[in-house]
Amino acid sequence: QITLKESGPTLVKPTQTLTLTCSFSGFSLSTSGVGVGWIRQPPGKAPEWLALIYWDDDKRYSPSLKSRLTIIKDTSKNQVVVTMTNLDPMDTATYYCARRSQISCWDHWGPGTLVTVSS
Amino acid sequence: QSALTQPASVSGSPGQSITISCTGTSSDISDYNFVSWYVQDPGKAPKLIIYEVSYRPSGVSNRFSGSKSGNTASLTISGLQADDEAHYYCSAYIGDNILFGGGTKLTVL
Repeated sequence: QITLKESGPTLVKPTQTLTLTCSFSGFSLSTSGVGVGWIRQPPGKAPEWLALIYWDDDKRYSPSLKSRLTIIKDTSKNQVVVTMTNLDPMDTATYYCARRSQISCWDHWGPGTLVTVSS
Repeated sequence: QSALTQPASVSGSPGQSITISCTGTSSDISDYNFVSWYVQDPGKAPKLIIYEVSYRPSGVSNRFSGSKSGNTASLTISGLQADDEAHYYCSAYIGDNILFGGGTKLTVL
């Protein structure tokens, strides 16, 4: 059974850096073709892809947020961590981590974590 | 503003069929087969229902089907049921970007 779960702060102040951890089980991030990524969804809006890291450490970022994002993986711990700098209230959203399968889709998602950016 | 355009809402009666479109801004969808569809119930994470334009994951009802014509992908739900009422999102992997559509709210009348 594949599971993913996000963890991190629920409240962040403007200009601060957000660090979120995705802990997963039921698959290995050393399997060819597999990736883990982050997607966020502001309240009442559509999802927005942020970042993705593949089994071979290839990293991809949303072009519009690339300068603010860093994604890393710890294969031994089954974790993927994303950091986003210079937070703004517009970054308030539910942040999801999800598995990117070999068939180029998000086939398993975590439950999400709501992050509020406010002073 | 999303680069994949979906109708904001669609509706249908139980037993009917509905189709949700997802249109790209250029030749993005027509050049690639990495189009997927997700359903999202309130307060829940999105769930994959279609991948690579027209394939269903194991466990997804065959009432859900996907297709593509030119730069528009489509999701069809046949035999509408009350619990199909939800938000539906398309997504496409285009070059180095992964886009989501703006979402469609399906109402079952």
